[in-house]
Amino acid sequence: AQSVTQLDSQVPVFEEAPVELRCNYSSSVSVYLFWYVQYPNQGLQLLLKYLSGSTLVKGINGFEAEFNKSQTSFHLRKPSVHISDTAEYFCAVRSNNNDMRFGAGTRLTVKP
Amino acid sequence: DVKVTQSSRYLVKRTGEKVFLECVQDMDHENMFWYRQDPGLGLRLIYFSYDVKMKEKGDIPEGYSVSREKKERFSLILESASTNQTSMYLCASRRLRANTEAFFGQGTRLTVV
Repeated sequence: AQSVTQLDSQVPVFEEAPVELRCNYSSSVSVYLFWYVQYPNQGLQLLLKYLSGSTLVKGINGFEAEFNKSQTSFHLRKPSVHISDTAEYFCAVRSNNNDMRFGAGTRLTVKP
Repeated sequence: DVKVTQSSRYLVKRTGEKVFLECVQDMDHENMFWYRQDPGLGLRLIYFSYDVKMKEKGDIPEGYSVSREKKERFSLILESASTNQTSMYLCASRRLRANTEAFFGQGTRLTVV
């Protein structure tokens, strides 16, 4: 079965600085990869997804992620963060079966 | 837009009570899921269903059961609530195809006292 490791539980960063949220996965088969964002007291919202093709995926709100098969990673990046990006971010992996596995989450806090 | 609706945002129940959490989706999705979310543990899969009356255990099914009598509705049941089931519960739905994302409800914060 696949699993997901988010390497940082909390990432504090100043406004307008770049940020990278790290995600590694383990799976013996081809996978589909997702990043979700959760704002306070809300459900999860899709940021971006990797299905196939180009390894650099662009999502909403200026986020992008790069799929690296050799390193089994799917790190999320943004070149310049805003206060409004403060939220919890979840990496998820799905293979060809029907379930989806999530990481433990990374709490991004953007400080003025 | 896909809508996944959970019947309650907040619930407070007593230990030993039978608790029903309801979830309805309006996009004819085949797959539906129940997760619980706890600080530092992320989302853990309790049960999922890939069709009406079909269900499969996730990673932490103990103490829970589910029901899917209609395609749009997926219920999570706590047969006898305990304090360690105090958590945020998230329902999700998705098309059967592997390359589709899941859509989530707003969550139900359950407190068992």
